[in-house]
Order: sequence, then C-alpha cells, then structure tokens
Amino acid sequence: DAGVIQSPRHEVTEMGQEVTLRCKPISGHDYLFWYRQTMMRGLELLIYFNNNVPIDDSGMPEDRFSAKMPNASFSTLKIQPSEPRDSAVYFCASSPIWGRNTGELFFGEGSRLTVL
Amino acid sequence: LAKTTQPISMDSYEGQEVNITCSHNNIATNDYITWYQQFPSQGPRFIIQGYKTKVTNEVASLFIPADRKSSTLSLPRVSLSDTAVYYCLVGDILNNDMRFGAGTRLTVKP
Repeated sequence: DAGVIQSPRHEVTEMGQEVTLRCKPISGHDYLFWYRQTMMRGLELLIYFNNNVPIDDSGMPEDRFSAKMPNASFSTLKIQPSEPRDSAVYFCASSPIWGRNTGELFFGEGSRLTVL
Repeated sequence: LAKTTQPISMDSYEGQEVNITCSHNNIATNDYITWYQQFPSQGPRFIIQGYKTKVTNEVASLFIPADRKSSTLSLPRVSLSDTAVYYCLVGDILNNDMRFGAGTRLTVKP
C-alpha cells in the first residue's frame, strides 16, 4: 500500500484566498484524522471521521475551516478565507480498527501551508 | 481526557539506552498507551503500543506499571538517526481521544 497520500506538499498563498488540502487514506481504514502542527501549539487534532462521518470537530479553529469526506478514499480540508495565522503543517492520518487494539495512526507526509 | 506529561527534551550519546517516561495520571480503563516518533518534515510514525506490563518489538520496549499512571519508552543502543521528537499518546479512538501532548525532543550525540 502507498500509505496516506496528501496534496499539495507545499502551498503558498495570499491572505484571503481559499485553500484546499487533500488526503487519500489507506484503503480499508475506517478512521481519518486531520491534524495541524505549529511550533507554538504543537500537534493539534482538528477533526476526525469514522466511515466518512465526522465524529468530533471540536478542534476546528473557526468557521473558516471545513472538512469533508465524500467517500472512503478521499477527504478535503478547506480554509476560506485563509489568514497568516493558518500557516502550519497539516497532517492527515488514517487508522484501522480491530478488536481492542486502537490508536495506531498512519500519517501522511503533511501539507505545509504558508499564508502571506 | 487523559493528559500526558513528558520531559521537553533529553540528550544522549550513541550506543546508550534511552528511557523516556510519560505521566498519565487520569488514564481511563479503556485507554491504550501509544508512542510515536517524528522526524523533521515528516509525519509522526508509530513505534509501539501497550495496555499494561511490558511490550517489546524490534525497535523499542514499553514498560507500564500496574497502576498504569505512567509509562516508559525504552530505546536500546540509540544512534544518531534516533534524534527525533517522541510523543506519548494515551487514548482510545472509541472515546474520541486521539490528542497528542508536547512530546520529548531527543538529541543523540556522537
């Protein structure tokens, strides 16, 4: 398996522009997570899905952020309008569930976003 | 929500054994303990997971005492390539609890 695939790897945009980050989870994984990482705040959980349904979006910073998972093989994280403080590395991770062995996340390479 | 406390940083030398301890006083009955490793410009990578006692795999060992209020990741004979940030994550997907702490930055020196 190719692992979790994220795109773009790098994005530089100007304040006010719409940004869309994409993620393809590992086939067969039931859970998909979006994290954001900055030096100041570390690794923050934004939202996660189970079987394409959003379960917990309490980490989404504000209404400018939205995430969708239209099918089991694709998810997007959208920021509209973007602001300089949104500059961060955004990670997507997926996870299978089997028995009671939970918590193993498989991360993508991340999308580094810079908002000027 | 089980919170974790780890040392911010640790230094070691090549060939030494490194033990990183994580405190999680409020761990719930269903929570597993998982450790991740993150190199610069990469996503975190799973190292080891356990529930109680001791777990060992090809890269590390995880020691969990009976009360489960802490855990220790043990890296045998570290090399320069083990320089990374190590995260302890205590939680369970079914309890909506997959939040990372601040991590421990391990620097291995020659």
